[in-house]
Amino acid sequence: AAGVIQSPRHLIKEKRETATLKCYPIPRHDTVYWYQQGPGQDPQFLISFYEKMQSDKGSIPDRFSAQQFSDYHSELNMSSLELGDSALYFCASSFGTSGTDTQYFGPGTRLTVL
Amino acid sequence: AQSVSQHNHHVILSEAASLELGCNYSYGGTVNLFWYVQYPGQHLQLLLKYFSGDPLVKGIKGFEAEFIKSKFSFNLRKPSVQWSDTAEYFCAVSLLPSGTYKYIFGTGTRLKVLA
Repeated sequence: AAGVIQSPRHLIKEKRETATLKCYPIPRHDTVYWYQQGPGQDPQFLISFYEKMQSDKGSIPDRFSAQQFSDYHSELNMSSLELGDSALYFCASSFGTSGTDTQYFGPGTRLTVL
Repeated sequence: AQSVSQHNHHVILSEAASLELGCNYSYGGTVNLFWYVQYPGQHLQLLLKYFSGDPLVKGIKGFEAEFIKSKFSFNLRKPSVQWSDTAEYFCAVSLLPSGTYKYIFGTGTRLKVLA
């Protein structure tokens, strides 16, 4: 079965650089969630989209932005990178927002900021 | 603020031992509850979920969990662990009603099973 695809899987950037992370949801899934998992920490919700509109926002820095495109894939754009942005970034997708949805996670993008 | 607690951060068991991982959440309303497993180098995979109905839910690989509403708990159990169960386990909660169903994760429990 098709899974959530994230690219790249690994990314190394310097401080103050920009990064773009991509997420391709499971086919027919219309909702995308982004989470950030710092070293030794639990995943923290960043932002979500439903039908290409932002549906919720968590602890996402102003330096980060995201969008969902017409094909439902999503991109997380990160600017002015800081050392503390080094983390594993998960994307998850689900179908609908009925309250009985299960999120399916991608393999994550490991971002290292030097 | 709502939170999810997993009290056991590291657990070491021998094969065939029984497992119980605790999960408690702080929210007075309706919740959906999940347990995910993350094998080394892999993504989060769903073990089981609870939305409503029978509070004892069975998942994949012999895992089960019981929702006890009065205790705000959703503990994960397995009667006999295997070496292949070595992984990190996350409890997650989504709050209802909600415009979205973002997860609030617990801090995770690293399980090591000794062969």
